[in-house]
Amino acid sequence: QTVVTQEPSFSVSPGGTVTLTCGLSSGSDSTSHYPSWYQQTPGQPPRTLIYSTNRRSSGIPDRFSGSILGNKAALTITGAQAEDEGLYYCALYMDSASWMFGGGTKVTVL
Amino acid sequence: QVQLVQSGPEVKKPGASVKVTCKASGYTFNFHGFSWVRQAPGQGLEWMGYINTYSGNTNYAQKFQGRVIMTTDTSTSTAYMELRSLTSDDTAVYYCARDWGQPRYYFDYWGQGSLVTVSS
Repeated sequence: QTVVTQEPSFSVSPGGTVTLTCGLSSGSDSTSHYPSWYQQTPGQPPRTLIYSTNRRSSGIPDRFSGSILGNKAALTITGAQAEDEGLYYCALYMDSASWMFGGGTKVTVL
Repeated sequence: QVQLVQSGPEVKKPGASVKVTCKASGYTFNFHGFSWVRQAPGQGLEWMGYINTYSGNTNYAQKFQGRVIMTTDTSTSTAYMELRSLTSDDTAVYYCARDWGQPRYYFDYWGQGSLVTVSS
């Protein structure tokens, strides 16, 4: 069964840049599945960052950006801040009103 | 402003059922569908299923088929998720998430989450 793949973790220095990716274990192009990105901090519900690959949700700082890297969706944090620490999940729309989440990437800012 | 307010924590015994509510406000309820997403302790997000609030049609993840029922009450702008035959593996925080819909297919608003604990 196909799963959504994400890097388990990344560390980034304050002010640095980090790029997370979201792919499909089958190797298929994930970017055709309306990728969206969500940030979650401890004890909080997910916060919507990016939809449709590269559209920023309302109120999201422009240091968060979505793009395509090869056949994967990507989320880049440019100028990382301490409050960007957390878990980042991508979701792919598979078909007929069904979605799959990736396992999440833990981002540490230090 | 859009708000999704979920019901409070529940403690259930194995084999029981739980029904979680998600009351929406700030928009026209049947313009957007809902997904339910759960998160077990220390684990990632897991999509459970979707309900179209206009038609009532549902689509459940294969893992939960036969055990989950999603419904809505348009008169009260409330979505419901009932999960039956609970086991300890169902201990999780359950979120309702509003689907923006075509052609974007993403979750734009989330409820605060409802903790369901299954324990004997």
